[in-house]
Amino acid sequence: DAGITQSPRHKVTETGTPVTLRCHQTENHRYMYWYRQDPGHGLRLIHYSYGVKDTDKGEVSDGYSVSRSKTEDFLLTLESATSSQTSVYFCAISDRGQGVRKTDTQYFGPGTRLTVL
Amino acid sequence: DAKTTQPPSMDCAEGRAANLPCNHSTISGNEYVYWYRQIHSQGPQYIIHGLKNNETNEMASLIITEDRKSSTLILPHATLRDTAVYYCIVIPSGGGADGLTFGKGTHLIIQP
Repeated sequence: DAGITQSPRHKVTETGTPVTLRCHQTENHRYMYWYRQDPGHGLRLIHYSYGVKDTDKGEVSDGYSVSRSKTEDFLLTLESATSSQTSVYFCAISDRGQGVRKTDTQYFGPGTRLTVL
Repeated sequence: DAKTTQPPSMDCAEGRAANLPCNHSTISGNEYVYWYRQIHSQGPQYIIHGLKNNETNEMASLIITEDRKSSTLILPHATLRDTAVYYCIVIPSGGGADGLTFGKGTHLIIQP
């Protein structure tokens, strides 16, 4: 399995509090992603990064910010958590653009289950 | 990106080969076929991918038809731990639209 860890694995917080989720990789992959997964919606992209300090928005970025100060870490911050952000959050890394085959294989972390009360 | 069609569910007996079909009739010449799966409460897991040749790794085999309009994922000796939702997607060479989109997939249930 790809070396991806997420912390915390579970968190319960209250509406209005800030929350930061961490994704750490040991694969030196350039691309990193944050997704959320909800029943009936499948996986939805929140933000992604294509290098240190290089990030871009995904489909559902409102209410979320990200930072990537070094290759191995990608942080997702909920500035003021709301109940609609209760979800399972997955981090993924990709070998996109690396290697001869120019493929885009994404490897996922174990997920963080966030509950906002 | 090309769309894919998969049966919603399948059963397979433990120890037998599980053959999961996928139709991707609008696939373009530069698009790869990828398979992922998601076991309950876990993150999606990459299984295998291919362009036009058949591929095999330690988890599975991927058979792509000559016209590339369909493919079959084969789990040669299914175990109970292979019970999961399996997703077939197509991604262009060089990367997709900056995020994976899974359809509903096939819920594979391995029966003891």
